[in-house]
Amino acid sequence: TQLLEQSPQFLSIQEGENLTVYCNSSSVFSSLQWYRQEPGEGPVLLVTVVTGGEVKKLKRLTFQFGDARKDSSLHITAAQPGDTGLYLCAGARGNTPLVFGKGTRLSVIA
Amino acid sequence: DAGVIQSPRHEVTEMGQEVTLRCKPISGHDYLFWYRQTMMRGLELLIYFNNNVPIDDSGMPEDRFSAKMPNASFSTLKIQPSEPRDSAVYFCASSLRGVNYGYTFGSGTRLTVV
Repeated sequence: TQLLEQSPQFLSIQEGENLTVYCNSSSVFSSLQWYRQEPGEGPVLLVTVVTGGEVKKLKRLTFQFGDARKDSSLHITAAQPGDTGLYLCAGARGNTPLVFGKGTRLSVIA
Repeated sequence: DAGVIQSPRHEVTEMGQEVTLRCKPISGHDYLFWYRQTMMRGLELLIYFNNNVPIDDSGMPEDRFSAKMPNASFSTLKIQPSEPRDSAVYFCASSLRGVNYGYTFGSGTRLTVV
């Protein structure tokens, strides 16, 4: 059983479209992180959200932490080919290492 | 800083052979993690160290896997003997502040056991 469920698993869109991907759990997390992984490379941290209801923006990317701190979403406005990659969410609980979802594989077609 | 450095980038070996993966964490990062990534299971934690001491190795699949961190700048993950089901991308990551804070990952080692 996956602790963090990400959806959709795959997403292919045209350049300029908007999209939202989700990270859901039945567990409460003290914080949640989003990473982007490009082919042949390791994941790179994009943002950490800590407070329930928190919204953070990183250029065209908007991250939101659910009020109950069990879920999160990532919204991309006007997607570009450079946004292509695997988007991973990772949850922090107690004094244990991060637990990662399986990711959403995004492809933005020019 | 050059980031987390892993070697080799690719490894192809025959079943039954010993495989050693290497990692150099970012200087000053006291936490080091070994993860394995597959399409089926995603990123799975194998083991992590704090100040060179193994803290939790419950994710190590079986006795064929072992990891060491002889000093703050070097860690190894060894598989002996290797099996085809060990084929995956193995990542090393380090963290400055702790297990709940941002990790910096290396570029990974893609292991293929034939």
